[in-house]
Amino acid sequence: NAGVTQTPKFQVLKTGQSMTLQCAQDMNHNSMYWYRQDPGMGLRLIYYSASEGTTDKGEVPNGYNVSRLNKREFSLRLESAAPSQTSVYFCASSERAGGADGYTFGSGTRLTVV
Amino acid sequence: LAKTTQPISMDSYEGQEVNITCSHNNIATNDYITWYQQFPSQGPRFIIQGYKTKVTNEVASLFIPADRKSSTLSLPRVSLSDTAVYYCLVGLRGTGFQKLVFGTGTRLLVSP
Repeated sequence: NAGVTQTPKFQVLKTGQSMTLQCAQDMNHNSMYWYRQDPGMGLRLIYYSASEGTTDKGEVPNGYNVSRLNKREFSLRLESAAPSQTSVYFCASSERAGGADGYTFGSGTRLTVV
Repeated sequence: LAKTTQPISMDSYEGQEVNITCSHNNIATNDYITWYQQFPSQGPRFIIQGYKTKVTNEVASLFIPADRKSSTLSLPRVSLSDTAVYYCLVGLRGTGFQKLVFGTGTRLLVSP
């Protein structure tokens, strides 16, 4: 009963390095999302995938790219990390597009860019 | 997207009932109201969702007045483990796609 699994849980990058955050869900959900949460703030949507084969920008997409590899997996890539991207990243999924019937979130990836 | 307004923080004691009110004056006819709970270092967790009147589950109750311009999440007899941030969201359910927006939420602190 894994739900949404994110890897890695922690990561430290140097400015300019690249990395990919992985997310997988085992609930056969159609839609997946990437959020970031800065200290003391709410969650901000980076990118989402309403269904397999589609992706679209959220509120704060600059500096990120995504890939919906298949129905289960949705990855987030930082091509050239910047200190402003230090944050906690959450992946989520929902059965129906839009998530209004309930998101399931992963436990997050804590990223520090130095 | 309907904008929501919640208190920034609330304090309570163990065993008390806690009511967190969310204002959403421009809620649309087809919008549902959903509440999430987030513990430190964890992702948000779905608590409850409703459209009108009252919804109750094993965790909480959600009260929605007839005009639907506000909603109240009620947590009965809170314990220390209910200390968390609570988010109120408003959006469509089912049809169409809407990017739900999480505000800063209400930080609930339960003390002994």
